[in-house]
Amino acid sequence: ETGVTQSPTHLIKTRGQQVTLRCSSQSGHNTVSWYQQALGQGPQFIFQYYREEENGRGNFPPRFSGLQFPNYSSELNVNALELDDSALYLCASSLAPGSRAKYFGPGTRLTVT
Amino acid sequence: EDKVVQSPLSLVVHEGDTVTLNCSYEVTNFRSLLWYKQEKKAPTFLFMLTSSGIEKKSGRLSSILDKKELSSILNITATQTGDSAIYLCAVSSRDDKIIFGKGTRLHILP
Repeated sequence: ETGVTQSPTHLIKTRGQQVTLRCSSQSGHNTVSWYQQALGQGPQFIFQYYREEENGRGNFPPRFSGLQFPNYSSELNVNALELDDSALYLCASSLAPGSRAKYFGPGTRLTVT
Repeated sequence: EDKVVQSPLSLVVHEGDTVTLNCSYEVTNFRSLLWYKQEKKAPTFLFMLTSSGIEKKSGRLSSILDKKELSSILNITATQTGDSAIYLCAVSSRDDKIIFGKGTRLHILP
């Protein structure tokens, strides 16, 4: 157990809907990053938040957005869901942006029908 | 475009065998290479490598980075069924991006 929690664990949405996923980082960690892992693929970096500001982003469209709160918990929002958004969404927390060890949460499995 | 390539994509061996997993990368502004083990959902951190030629070791697992060849290997000796998992290689860049490979799915037969 890493101390990183995510909710919900599973979610089913319809194409075109919006979804919010949540992540609570490990105590003392001020950096949260989000990843999308499609079946059979490695995780793909979506973005990273450090002290409530986005400080790195992968190749994801603007309909993927996020927030980090003063307690360093974080949200991932996805608008206008597409079938290809079906994936495991992982968040990871770390002590600092360049920190080596990223502690991953158990993930949220999103299915878009 | 930055990329991380792992090989083989899957591997089946018998308990007690030694395995070598490979990772090669093309990433601008390389900062470090990381190895993770993913059994169910959450990847767990194994190693971070920043310097070429220095072996990192943890029990039966070891890893080394070759910056000249832009590659790394992860060795597991005396494999056990509990080693069955997906092993992910990732490279972090100086602009705080992290790029994962597709992983190697390792299955250990009893």
